[in-house]
Amino acid sequence: AQSVTQLGSHVSVSEGALVLLRCNYSSSVPPYLFWYVQYPNQGLQLLLKYTTGATLVKGINGFEAEFKKSETSFHLTKPSAHMSDAAEYFCAVRGTGNQFYFGTGTSLTVIP
Amino acid sequence: DVKVTQSSRYLVKRTGEKVFLECVQDMDHENMFWYRQDPGLGLRLIYFSYDVKMKEKGDIPEGYSVSREKKERFSLILESASTNQTSMYLCASIKRRDSSAFNQPQHFGDGTRLSIL
Repeated sequence: AQSVTQLGSHVSVSEGALVLLRCNYSSSVPPYLFWYVQYPNQGLQLLLKYTTGATLVKGINGFEAEFKKSETSFHLTKPSAHMSDAAEYFCAVRGTGNQFYFGTGTSLTVIP
Repeated sequence: DVKVTQSSRYLVKRTGEKVFLECVQDMDHENMFWYRQDPGLGLRLIYFSYDVKMKEKGDIPEGYSVSREKKERFSLILESASTNQTSMYLCASIKRRDSSAFNQPQHFGDGTRLSIL
């Protein structure tokens, strides 16, 4: 069975500081992992996706994620937070069928 | 770009009403999904459909039904709305899973924020 766990439902960082959002996955098969962002009152937009063979994945808006099989992690980072990064972030894994499994989300606040 | 369109951004209905939420996608995707999103609970799958007239229950199907008469349209129906169905509802679609679509993401609509009074 596939699942993801996001550690920290709320994260606050200062503008210009490093952003680190944590995601751990559980999967019995090679995982297909995704990070989505949701701005207020909008749907989910794809930030980045993991493709087998590449451990560091670059996404939009300066975000990237590192796949670590030994730690079953896929943490999202951005070197320097911007006010526009304030949003809800979701990690997801695709199941063996057609379903996707989402974490409970992390709300990012950026302090000016 | 894939476009997933949900018919209403905001909707207010009364307890006991039959409520229809509509979702249309323009990329000929086989699979369509309905989720509800609540604070602290993330996205929970209500129903999904992998073909016309086909449907599968998700994790929380109670109180809901769905209809897929055409490939591009997937409707969520609240048979008799209750206050605990006040939530954000998200529709998503994706191409059928095959070797070329193995790592494709779901595409989401903008959501319908439904309030049941």
